Amino acid sequence: AQSVTQLDSQVPVFEEAPVELRCNYSSSVSVYLFWYVQYPNQGLQLLLKYLSGSTLVKGINGFEAEFNKSQTSFHLRKPSVHISDTAEYFCAVSSFYNQGGKLIFGQGTELSVKP
Amino acid sequence: GAGVSQSPSNKVTEKGKDVELRCDPISGHTALYWYRQSLGQGLEFLIYFQGNSAPDKSGLPSDRFSAERTGGSVSTLTIQRTQQEDSAVYLCASSLEWQGGQPQHFGDGTRLSIL
Repeated sequence: AQSVTQLDSQVPVFEEAPVELRCNYSSSVSVYLFWYVQYPNQGLQLLLKYLSGSTLVKGINGFEAEFNKSQTSFHLRKPSVHISDTAEYFCAVSSFYNQGGKLIFGQGTELSVKP
Repeated sequence: GAGVSQSPSNKVTEKGKDVELRCDPISGHTALYWYRQSLGQGLEFLIYFQGNSAPDKSGLPSDRFSAERTGGSVSTLTIQRTQQEDSAVYLCASSLEWQGGQPQHFGDGTRLSIL
């Protein structure tokens, strides 16, 4: 079984500041890793994914994440945030071996960017 | 349309009534997923379809919940004898293939409120 822990439920930050949203996972098998963003009253949009290869993954809107296997972490970072980045962010995993690719999500981190 | 379409966007019904939620996946996507998003439980997997069959129904919370998919396209999630704890946003997602690691594309969800 897999589980995902997002260590911060809310992250307030000022515009143009850097931000890191933390994600740790637990799994007895290899997993794929994802970050999704959800704007109010909308569905989830894929930011980036880690499948294999380079541990530093770049996504849309200037976000990037680093996979750390030894620490079972997949933290999301952006060097300079904008007001428009205000949203809820979800870390998720799916198993290599579980046919079907169902996603197991963390509880979400609400990013609030203030002017 | 280009994205995953869900209807209705909002549904208010009385406790004990049956409801049907509809999902139109992206054309050509073979895998379809239903998730539920609620304040208390976060984002939970409900069921996944590969074509018209459902190899994984493990997330359906009770036998009041059922889903079907016809023609490898449209899916309907049915909740019978609704209870107040069924109030949530029901999200549908589709992906090109069923294997893990495929990005899932989400609809905007159906917000279900049980009075």
